[in-house]
Amino acid sequence: QKEVEQNSGPLSVPEGAIASLNCTYSDRGSQSFFWYRQYSGKSPELIMSIYSNGDKEDGRFTAQLNKASQYVSLLIRDSQPSDSATYLCAVILNQAGTALIFGKGTTLSVSS
Amino acid sequence: ETGVTQTPRHLVMGMTNKKSLKCEQHLGHNAMYWYKQSAKKPLELMFVYNFKEQTENNSVPSRFSPECPNSSHLFLHLHTLQPEDSALYLCASSQDRGDEQYFGPGTRLTVT
Repeated sequence: QKEVEQNSGPLSVPEGAIASLNCTYSDRGSQSFFWYRQYSGKSPELIMSIYSNGDKEDGRFTAQLNKASQYVSLLIRDSQPSDSATYLCAVILNQAGTALIFGKGTTLSVSS
Repeated sequence: ETGVTQTPRHLVMGMTNKKSLKCEQHLGHNAMYWYKQSAKKPLELMFVYNFKEQTENNSVPSRFSPECPNSSHLFLHLHTLQPEDSALYLCASSQDRGDEQYFGPGTRLTVT
């Protein structure tokens, strides 16, 4: 069964802290992994993509992928109130077929 | 701005009406998608088009009818909808299937 699981939260962190968002997926054939940010009433915005095991850094964001554990995470360093949003994990099962499967999202709240 | 536009942004329609949603991408992408986002549910893939050809129909009721006249434009024709079809309808595009997807702002649909 194709599933992407996320803790719905809310995850509350103080300004300046590291926020850690986690995602697990059910299909070992998954190839591509994405993190999207969605503000209330807005559409999803792509933050990061990751395809290989290990870490990928982009500014304050780091995506981590462990295919053996079927686990992908997003770390946000120096969290800001403007980071408060819902973070969606999305997975593509294979390049030839299925489009993105989304988790339900984790709501992050950063307090100043 | 992601380069994907959607019109209208808001739509209220009765159950007997016929309306259409429009999506246009200015990114030169080859794949386009329709998603539905309801409250408390993950984003649901509805249709996938690749080079104007429909490649996926995710068991969507026939009251939703997609049309892709070229790689830049995608329509979703609506007729005899139900109140439970009220949701945010999102269009996305990617260079090719399996690549990063970029979302339009969405159409907030209310069926009365």
